[in-house]
Amino acid sequence: QLQLQESGPGLVKPSETLSLTCSVSGDSISSSSYYWAWIRQPPGKGLEWIGNIYYTGKTYYNPSLQSRVIVSVDTSKNHFSLKLSSVTAADTAVYYCARHYAWGSGSYRPFDSWGQGTLVSVSS
Amino acid sequence: DIVMTQSPLSLPVTPGEPASISCRSSQSLLYSNGENYLDWYVQKAGQSPQVLIYLGSYRASGVPDRFSGSGSGTDFTLKISRVEAEDVGVYYCMQGRQPPITFGQGTRLEIK
Repeated sequence: QLQLQESGPGLVKPSETLSLTCSVSGDSISSSSYYWAWIRQPPGKGLEWIGNIYYTGKTYYNPSLQSRVIVSVDTSKNHFSLKLSSVTAADTAVYYCARHYAWGSGSYRPFDSWGQGTLVSVSS
Repeated sequence: DIVMTQSPLSLPVTPGEPASISCRSSQSLLYSNGENYLDWYVQKAGQSPQVLIYLGSYRASGVPDRFSGSGSGTDFTLKISRVEAEDVGVYYCMQGRQPPITFGQGTRLEIK
């Protein structure tokens, strides 16, 4: 059974870098059928897509965050990671990892599996 | 960016009654393969979102058949034929037509 699990610090200081990892079990992150994504949700607010990565390293980022975001993949550890630099209080959110597929030669797949989410607070 | 607009934002419903949520996109979600890249998700309290409908009208695995999706291009609708208490939550439409992926504001369904 597929499981995605986010991990990382729950508290980050302003201007520092937020770093999270999503560990994937029950499927290979090298699957050609999926992109691996980060999505966030500020407390009490809606969902914001951060970016996607394919196992080849190809990425798509939200332009609103692109200057501060890096998503990377480690196929040997079957996990992918998020780094968000120069954080402010506005980056306080629950961060989810998920998988989907779009924009390629394969079949479209929605966000059909999500991690449980991890709350990251930005505060001094 | 494609802007997704949902209505209503709040939806009180009596159990057993139908419910409908509208989602409009600022650009067509029709992809070159003839499919509409529009999904519906529900987020129940304290949980991660889960997919209900994908590609506009296909029910995800395990989703009850009281949920249905319709529409094409820029106008889409999620319908619940008979609302049950377990359907309480926030419903989001999402476009996967092009990056950046964008979500609607969410519609909060509550039981009267």
